[in-house]
Parts: sequence; structure tokens; C-alpha cells
Amino acid sequence: DTGVSQDPRHKITKRGQNVTFRCDPISEHNRLYWYRQTLGQGPEFLTYFQNEAQLEKSRLLSDRFSAERPKGSFSTLEIQRTEQGDSAMYLCASSPTGPWGEQFFGPGTRLTVL
Amino acid sequence: DQQVKQNSPSLSVQEGRISILNCDYTNSMFDYFLWYKKYPAEGPTFLISISSIKDKNEDGRFTVFLNKSAKHLSLHIVPSQPGDSAVYFCAAPQTGANNLFFGTGTRLTVIP
Repeated sequence: DTGVSQDPRHKITKRGQNVTFRCDPISEHNRLYWYRQTLGQGPEFLTYFQNEAQLEKSRLLSDRFSAERPKGSFSTLEIQRTEQGDSAMYLCASSPTGPWGEQFFGPGTRLTVL
Repeated sequence: DQQVKQNSPSLSVQEGRISILNCDYTNSMFDYFLWYKKYPAEGPTFLISISSIKDKNEDGRFTVFLNKSAKHLSLHIVPSQPGDSAVYFCAAPQTGANNLFFGTGTRLTVIP
């Protein structure tokens, strides 16, 4: 399967704990995106990487959130001191360079903060 | 501020009939629009797109219509099939950036 993969698929944690999610994009795609989706809403943009450079960050990405893409391949999203409001589906997407086109989404990581 | 809006949270259609999903936007600078389909426990998958220089784009059973003056687009599915049952999102890329603005989605149920 050469699509976007995310790990883990589900994460349950207690409030105050740190969590880290991983995304492996389609190998030839140099653009990578993180989105968050809550119940009844569409995906909301969090951050964007072009290769290893983090070029855009949403105001939704508070100081407790950090994302990396160290070698321009896979990416990680870490949430420190989780809060119940962080409970959501975290989606990763990738796309190739070039004129605007579709983004390919992974299956998401569902986070539940107790 | 919701720049892409889908005002119908759900739609039920009989198999074989036409499904029409609607989307409105507020930002006149948007020049490209996409429709994504999402099944439970999966990420959104791209369905069809349209550039603002066109008013119609067709791909098999799926057709997207764009009315720029009304800031409105619609997705037509004909004939509808039970496998089309999913949540459909309208999206547009932020001008000068790379992220997508998504609507809140419409859950389509095709009744056999």
C-alpha cells in the first residue's frame, strides 16, 4: 500500500500526558499537512511542511503542539500536557509539488483524552 | 469565520435517483474547489475538483457545478448508489497558502 499511513490509529490518554503521532506520506510527495477534525466539523488546518521546513502554522496550533519533519519524509505531531479539548481525529495529508492539486489523506489518529 | 459552508448536514436519496449536495463560500478570492468523500474510520478521499475558470466539471457519475456570482457550488451524483453513502466535504485552498478550508460536511445516505 503506497498511500499515506498514520500511527497509531487510536490513542487513549489521561489529561496531562504527552502524546506523539506519526505520519508517513506518499514517498514522492514533498508537501505534508496536519489537520484536526472534531465531531460534526470538517478538517481544520494545523500546519504545513515543504520538505523538512515547517512553512505554515494555524492559530489552532497552541504552544503545547509541536510538529517536525526531520528528514523531509515522515512527520510527527506531539501534544504536550493533553487536555480534554484535544480529543479529536488528527489527519495527515500529503501532496506533490506543482500547481494546486488534491491532497491525499491518511486514515487519521483518533485521540481520546480522559 | 467559516469560509466554506455546507448548510445541509444530511441528505437521503433513493438508489438510482440524483443526489445534489450544496456548498457556499464567502471568499471571492477562492479559485479552486474540491469535493472529498469520507467513509467512517477512513481519511477523506478526493472525488472531483473544479477551477474557477470553469462552471462545470464531469467525471463519470459525478458532476460539479460552480456559480461564481452566487459563490455556490454543487455536486451531482447520478445515478446514486448505496456505496455512495458517506460524508461529503466541500473544500477550497486558502489564497496564497497551501491549506484547505473545509465545510462541515453533508452525510449522504442512499437507500437501496
